[in-house]
Amino acid sequence: SAVISQKPSRDICQRGTSLTIQCQVDSQVTMMFWYRQQPGQSLTLIATANQGSEATYESGFVIDKFPISRPNLTFSTLTVSNMSPEDSSIYLCSVAPTDSNQPQHFGDGTRLSIL
Amino acid sequence: QKEVEQNSGPLSVPEGAIASLNCTYSDRGSQSFFWYRQYSGKSPELIMFIYSNGDKEDGRFTAQLNKASQYVSLLIRDSQPSDSATYLCAVRPQAGGFKTIFGAGTRLFVKA
Repeated sequence: SAVISQKPSRDICQRGTSLTIQCQVDSQVTMMFWYRQQPGQSLTLIATANQGSEATYESGFVIDKFPISRPNLTFSTLTVSNMSPEDSSIYLCSVAPTDSNQPQHFGDGTRLSIL
Repeated sequence: QKEVEQNSGPLSVPEGAIASLNCTYSDRGSQSFFWYRQYSGKSPELIMFIYSNGDKEDGRFTAQLNKASQYVSLLIRDSQPSDSATYLCAVRPQAGGFKTIFGAGTRLFVKA
């Protein structure tokens, strides 16, 4: 499976600031996804990062709050904007190969705390 | 009704026993089913995937799928304390393309 590098691995930020999380894959992948996992909860899909076009956001998530870039088939960024303590969470990058039957794999995640 | 449902647990089994983790899903047309293991503070790690009715075995793990009952399970034989983790069931709906729906997870404790 693809090797997925995500950084930073963790950060502590002040409220009102923004943080950009990077996801780098060692091979070209069709689909890249961004998830949030709040403490004790399961995974919530934020958006699908589409190469060469705008990301597709899930209900409850908006581009102004979570802008996403996908400049090529191996890289994506997620920005968490104007952060508040409610944004404290683990943010996970995930990739899926071309075959829609194949499973997704996850990066190591970014543990974000907002003071 | 949640799209993918799991008992949150915790499920506690003694070392060496069989742990049985269950999952039901609502989209009857779903074609792909996955089990992930997530240790505390870590990201999900794929354990098994299954597409056809019946059993699929990989080492100590067996995934079971019953599409008629919309039910998928994971059996862990000879459970070890290192198996203690949260197990996430994931389903790819028929019309969802690559989108995968995750259950809330079942916490498993294996007692030494």
